[in-house]
Amino acid sequence: DTGVSQDPRHKITKRGQNVTFRCDPISEHNRLYWYRQTLGQGPEFLTYFQNEAQLEKSRLLSDRFSAERPKGSFSTLEIQRTEQGDSAMYLCASSLVGTGGNQPQHFGDGTRLSIL
Amino acid sequence: TQLLEQSPQFLSIQEGENLTVYCNSSSVFSSLQWYRQEPGEGPVLLVTVVTGGEVKKLKRLTFQFGDARKDSSLHITAAQPGDTGLYLCAGANGNTGKLIFGQGTTLQVKP
Repeated sequence: DTGVSQDPRHKITKRGQNVTFRCDPISEHNRLYWYRQTLGQGPEFLTYFQNEAQLEKSRLLSDRFSAERPKGSFSTLEIQRTEQGDSAMYLCASSLVGTGGNQPQHFGDGTRLSIL
Repeated sequence: TQLLEQSPQFLSIQEGENLTVYCNSSSVFSSLQWYRQEPGEGPVLLVTVVTGGEVKKLKRLTFQFGDARKDSSLHITAAQPGDTGLYLCAGANGNTGKLIFGQGTTLQVKP
């Protein structure tokens, strides 16, 4: 299966600790997106990359959050000094670049973060 | 700010019934995508609609994109317990491709 994979699937940590998540997109996809989803809600956009360039960041992405995609392949999302409000499912998606925004995004199964 | 209002938020029906989920916005989207999500998993793409007025069918599911590309609907005919899940609509930005999601519709189909 060559879908989007995310690691770890679950992360439990104490408030104040740093955490890092990894996303491996579908290999030929040049766009990679990060979203956050809380229980009972739709996902919210955090940031996206085209190849290795980070082109947009949401206002949801405080300065405690940083994302990288160093070689235009896998991406990491780091949260420093975690807070209770960071508890959520973090989803990664990838797509090809297309016209009109009609390229479908394929999602991984997410990393569920729980802050104690 | 672009927003998508999805309704209803919750729906519990008996097997064999029909249902419609609505997705409305005041903004125009270049395309609209429908996803289905199971607990603990990521959203799985069902369909992408691009052209105003477009209708797409996927077995018992019918998707429609409004003429003005601001709204969409999902109609399920003769629902089955296997249709149970969270249904999400998402509008796509034409330049970045980023998705704006609705709040989702949790569907429960009872046998």
